Amino acid sequence: GAVVSQHPSWVICKSGTSVKIECRSLDFQATTMFWYRQFPKQSLMLMATSNEGSKATYEQGVEKDKFLINHASLTLSTLTVTSAHPEDSSFYICSARDPAGLETQYFGPGTRLLVL
Amino acid sequence: AQTVTQSQPEMSVQEAETVTLSCTYDTSESDYYLFWYKQPPSRQMILVIRQEAYKQQNATENRFSVNFQKAAKSFSLKISDSQLGDAAMYFCASGGSNYKLTFGKGTLLTVNP
Repeated sequence: GAVVSQHPSWVICKSGTSVKIECRSLDFQATTMFWYRQFPKQSLMLMATSNEGSKATYEQGVEKDKFLINHASLTLSTLTVTSAHPEDSSFYICSARDPAGLETQYFGPGTRLLVL
Repeated sequence: AQTVTQSQPEMSVQEAETVTLSCTYDTSESDYYLFWYKQPPSRQMILVIRQEAYKQQNATENRFSVNFQKAAKSFSLKISDSQLGDAAMYFCASGGSNYKLTFGKGTLLTVNP
């Protein structure tokens, strides 16, 4: 199956700093990627849809200036958490849509963010 | 808008036995896809099985099969010959024309040796 990588897998940062998370599709080109947030023992919450070469589409209630998304190539999308605060601590997961795979989304392994 | 409901927060099964996880959905789209994903303790989301809504035949992947009842908007997952490695959180999801996935709240499956 299609492989999606995510980096870093773990990050600890100080309050007020920015953190960048990378999501890469390794063996297919993904025109569309998605960013999710997952709290412990809960389901995935879609934050935004990342489209290659255009602006991301954010879900209601997600601050676009807080969570900056860039999809500069067909294999890379980045999520930058700006001026991070402890309440931003969470598990962030990306996925990439494989257009040749019956609209299936393949997921990265996730990034655990802890803001101190 | 789409909604996905998983009514079983937790399920357990004995090793080698069969278990069925329930999922119902609602969608206004005529063309949509349904998925089951597995999330083990590592938290990596793994595709288990997918079903195109326009296909009447139920999808199967080795020990995993679905019972897709389109009129009833039901999409249950059957795991046969359960193995210890099947223990995980299972999420049902639906996707439509905007490519977004709507997830259910998940069912935590425990496999007892």
